Amino acid sequence: EAGVTQFPSHSVIEKGQTVTLRCDPISGHDNLYWYRRVMGKEIKFLLHFVKESKQDESGMPNNRFLAERTGGTYSTLKVQPAELEDSGVYFCASSWTAGDTEAFFGQGTRLTVV
Amino acid sequence: AQRVTQPEKLLSVFKGAPVELKCNYSYSGSPELFWYVQYSRQRLQLLLRHISRESIKGFTADLNKGETSFHLKKPFAQEEDSAMYYCALSSGGYQKVTFGTGTKLQVIP
Repeated sequence: EAGVTQFPSHSVIEKGQTVTLRCDPISGHDNLYWYRRVMGKEIKFLLHFVKESKQDESGMPNNRFLAERTGGTYSTLKVQPAELEDSGVYFCASSWTAGDTEAFFGQGTRLTVV
Repeated sequence: AQRVTQPEKLLSVFKGAPVELKCNYSYSGSPELFWYVQYSRQRLQLLLRHISRESIKGFTADLNKGETSFHLKKPFAQEEDSAMYYCALSSGGYQKVTFGTGTKLQVIP
């Protein structure tokens, strides 16, 4: 079974540019989460999708971040315009149900804004 | 607000020595506590969670509500245990997990 897949694995962009990160969850997983780890800090929750709906987006840092999950399958996280402080590793995770099931993580996307 | 503290960034132990990775948390309700592990070039994966009270790869962790701690322990470290370990907390299920900053465990042969 394929695990959670994230694209790209690395991205280097200039400040002010736009970047779109993609996450393909495990097939059939309704729940999809985005997290990010900024250098030297903890991994922080960004948001949670249940199918195509945003269940909780309380962790989104500001309106430069836009997450979508078309058709309840893959998800994208767009940063526009990117700032230096957006650099970090962005993780995606998915699970069958939100309540009592292990969430499986992708390998992460390392974003560097220069 | 919920918070997870892992005081050690790096913990080096010799093979066969006991290991204890410290984790303290702050949360007003009844949290669920987890340990995640990330081996070199691999994905972050769940190691264990307190509600299952199981031992995985020889690791155990006991939730101490009085001390608000959830330390990870293993009696005899092995080289393959070298990895990054994250303590994490959730208010329920896996929806919104708060992670600590992580401790890198280095087992010296």
